[in-house]
Amino acid sequence: SQKIEQNSEALNIQEGKTATLTCNYTNYSPAYLQWYRQDPGRGPVFLLLIRENEKEKRKERLKVTFDTTLKQSLFHITASQPADSATYLCALEVNQAGTALIFGKGTTLSVSS
Amino acid sequence: ETGVTQTPRHLVMGMTNKKSLKCEQHLGHNAMYWYKQSAKKPLELMFVYNFKEQTENNSVPSRFSPECPNSSHLFLHLHTLQPEDSALYLCASSQDLASRETQYFGPGTRLLVL
Repeated sequence: SQKIEQNSEALNIQEGKTATLTCNYTNYSPAYLQWYRQDPGRGPVFLLLIRENEKEKRKERLKVTFDTTLKQSLFHITASQPADSATYLCALEVNQAGTALIFGKGTTLSVSS
Repeated sequence: ETGVTQTPRHLVMGMTNKKSLKCEQHLGHNAMYWYKQSAKKPLELMFVYNFKEQTENNSVPSRFSPECPNSSHLFLHLHTLQPEDSALYLCASSQDLASRETQYFGPGTRLLVL
């Protein structure tokens, strides 16, 4: 069956460390993969998109990698801060003829000071 | 703020009630989406509208009825819901379906069905 997994439901790290979140998928060949941030009681906010022909993308303290052979994306937050505490969702575009964005369940990151 | 607003933010309803959720986007977008987010589950796409026309119904039960009177407004009409329909309902928009890769989400309506 097709699925997308974010390996850790929760991740706790110390301020200043690098947080690494994982997104794995099976049986898809996505044209792109996205990462969103969701705070409690709020809708997801788009962070980064990486296409299948891109290996890495950066935005400020964020870095995303995309390995289509391993079917995996890694999302890194460097020099993490308590304000980075949130749930992070990965999403795949799986239907180029339609609109399907398939989301993972998310990883809740807690950064302690 | 993302430019997408949803009302009400919270709703409690009985199984025999009829209610409506409203979404409005101020971004000039032409595609709008309804998602359902249940606890411990991924977001599930429910409906998609592009230029006011419904382009996708993701096998949603008929007790959920969407309406898109114009590109800025999207409604979700609810009737005879079940307790398992309790969830966060999120609206999103994108420039159009070709630009669906960047979706802007509203804050959601937290629905509780008793």
